[in-house]
Amino acid sequence: KQEVTQIPAALSVPEGENLVLNCSFTDSAIYNLQWFRQDPGKGLTSLLLIQSSQREQTSGRLNASLDKSSGRSTLYIAASQPGDSATYLCAVTFRLNTGRRALTFGSGTRLQVQP
Amino acid sequence: DTEVTQTPKHLVMGMTNKKSLKCEQHMGHRAMYWYKQKAKKPPELMFVYSYEKLSINESVPSRFSPECPNSSLLNLHLHALQPEDSALYLCASSLAPIDRMNTEAFFGQGTRLTVV
Repeated sequence: KQEVTQIPAALSVPEGENLVLNCSFTDSAIYNLQWFRQDPGKGLTSLLLIQSSQREQTSGRLNASLDKSSGRSTLYIAASQPGDSATYLCAVTFRLNTGRRALTFGSGTRLQVQP
Repeated sequence: DTEVTQTPKHLVMGMTNKKSLKCEQHMGHRAMYWYKQKAKKPPELMFVYSYEKLSINESVPSRFSPECPNSSLLNLHLHALQPEDSALYLCASSLAPIDRMNTEAFFGQGTRLTVV
């Protein structure tokens, strides 16, 4: 069974710090990886999508990297702000046992940026 | 417009009630999904509709009944639910089914369901 793991589960940093969130997955035969942000009790906002053929994607202060061979992705947030406080979820498209593909989520990293 | 709209935002229902959750997107996406998310847990896939046909049912109990009337709408009909079904129900869509091509999934804000 494919699994997605995120470390750390929670992170608290002072404003302005650069930080890295980690995601690992058990099956290197992935199709793509997507990073989401979720505010408490809300839906998911897509941040970045990395195709399996890509090594990184950037959007503003966010940079996501993908290393399929080691089963890892990182989300780098530069110059963190209190508004970045949220749960960050990593989701990987695997092939299910049925042969179909679907997004499998990690448990998330809960980020708190202190003003 | 990259919006997936879900209604209602909150729903409280008794175990004998029948209710429906609605999801709508106007991005021309041909795949739509229902996910269930319990508190402090990641979303779990329930159903996938591909070109208005049910393509994946992740062994969901029959008290949850999905329906896709057209390419823009997705419903989830609820009947005889249990208190443990209380959760955030998330709808998502993508341009094509995830198993056809690599596409980005867009999520709605969810319906917070409480079963009493």
